Amino acid sequence: SQQGEEDPQALSIQEGENATMNCSYKTSINNLQWYRQNSGRGLVHLILIRSNEREKHSGRLRVTLDTSKKSSSLLITASRAADTASYFCATDALYTGANSKLTFGKGITLSVRP
Amino acid sequence: EAGVTQFPSHSVIEKGQTVTLRCDPISGHDNLYWYRRVMGKEIKFLLHFVKESKQDESGMPNNRFLAERTGGTYSTLKVQPAELEDSGVYFCASSRWSWTGLYNEQFFGPGTRLTVL
Repeated sequence: SQQGEEDPQALSIQEGENATMNCSYKTSINNLQWYRQNSGRGLVHLILIRSNEREKHSGRLRVTLDTSKKSSSLLITASRAADTASYFCATDALYTGANSKLTFGKGITLSVRP
Repeated sequence: EAGVTQFPSHSVIEKGQTVTLRCDPISGHDNLYWYRRVMGKEIKFLLHFVKESKQDESGMPNNRFLAERTGGTYSTLKVQPAELEDSGVYFCASSRWSWTGLYNEQFFGPGTRLTVL
């Protein structure tokens, strides 16, 4: 089973609207991170939230974490066409040691229509 | 600060040939990771170096894959001989060593797109 699973798998919105993407995971974690990948490009680190944090903001991004439900959400406010990309959540599992590998979901494709 | 760089950006080879991918991590990052994304599937972990030592190579698919990080700086990932199922995008990431691992922010390179014909 996958550690990180995002939903929806694809999301299409109008520029200016908010986009909410969800991620669920199965095992206890140290951290959860969100990444963005523009078409054909590398992964860009967006934000990291620790397991003892509930909410974090960075610019137009807001991430929440609910460890009791093993889920996280990424909210992008006032979306722009440039936000069109694939978004991934990634977790590193608790008890696997410091600096351990990340486990990714399949990603969400966000399309922002101008 | 320069980011993680990878070379080449694309590689097209025939089945049975050898390919070597290179990754230069962010300066000062002791952790170096290799990941791979095969078409239509999720990004999967291959292995993890701490400096020049292999910390975790549980994701390496088979012995056709060999990774090295001599001197604890850049790393290479060699595939020999390449098979069709090796096609995909190979990502390298690096992060600072943390005793607690509480801030394991991994920064990724642009990836190498490998196509095996």
